[in-house]
Amino acid sequence: KAGVTQTPRYLIKTRGQQVTLSCSPISGHRSVSWYQQTPGQGLQFLFEYFSETQRNKGNFPGRFSGRQFSNSRSEMNVSTLELGDSALYLCASSRDRVTDTQYFGPGTRLTVL
Amino acid sequence: TQLLEQSPQFLSIQEGENLTVYCNSSSVFSSLQWYRQEPGEGPVLLVTVVTGGEVKKLKRLTFQFGDARKDSSLHITAAQPGDTGLYLCAGDGGSEKLVFGKGTKLTVNP
Repeated sequence: KAGVTQTPRYLIKTRGQQVTLSCSPISGHRSVSWYQQTPGQGLQFLFEYFSETQRNKGNFPGRFSGRQFSNSRSEMNVSTLELGDSALYLCASSRDRVTDTQYFGPGTRLTVL
Repeated sequence: TQLLEQSPQFLSIQEGENLTVYCNSSSVFSSLQWYRQEPGEGPVLLVTVVTGGEVKKLKRLTFQFGDARKDSSLHITAAQPGDTGLYLCAGDGGSEKLVFGKGTKLTVNP
């Protein structure tokens, strides 16, 4: 069974630009969650999608958004990038609920210059 | 806001030593999960504990959930270099979100 895949693995952007990250969950998993990981704040929950609907959201500004497609693949978008957005962005999929076993992808390393 | 505090933040030990890392909160969690994350990879689930006082063993790793379900510990016996990684605890606070601690970065030197 293929794991969670994320593309791209590495990304370098400049302040003010926008970025789109992609996540393909494990086949059959309907819940996709996104997290931001930084050395200072650790792993912070961004949002969760289930059946194409945002089911839950963390405490991040509206510049961070996402969506889920009918095949459960998900994208997240960050607009008007700031230096502080530099982080590892992790996607995790689970069968139905966030609290089910989550399988994480390898992440996308975003650097904002 | 539910918070999980992990200690120590960093731990560097020699192969063969024992160690314990802690995950504490003032909030009650219905379950706690432990993950290990290696450089360049996402976290991988090690165990989920759901009952207060529960102890689970996974080879040389022993996980304990506190009686009040506010804290947990991970004990590693005879650590090996392959145990090196970032150990994260995550709690289910009942709001359909997982709250993560900041992690303990473990280095086991040969």
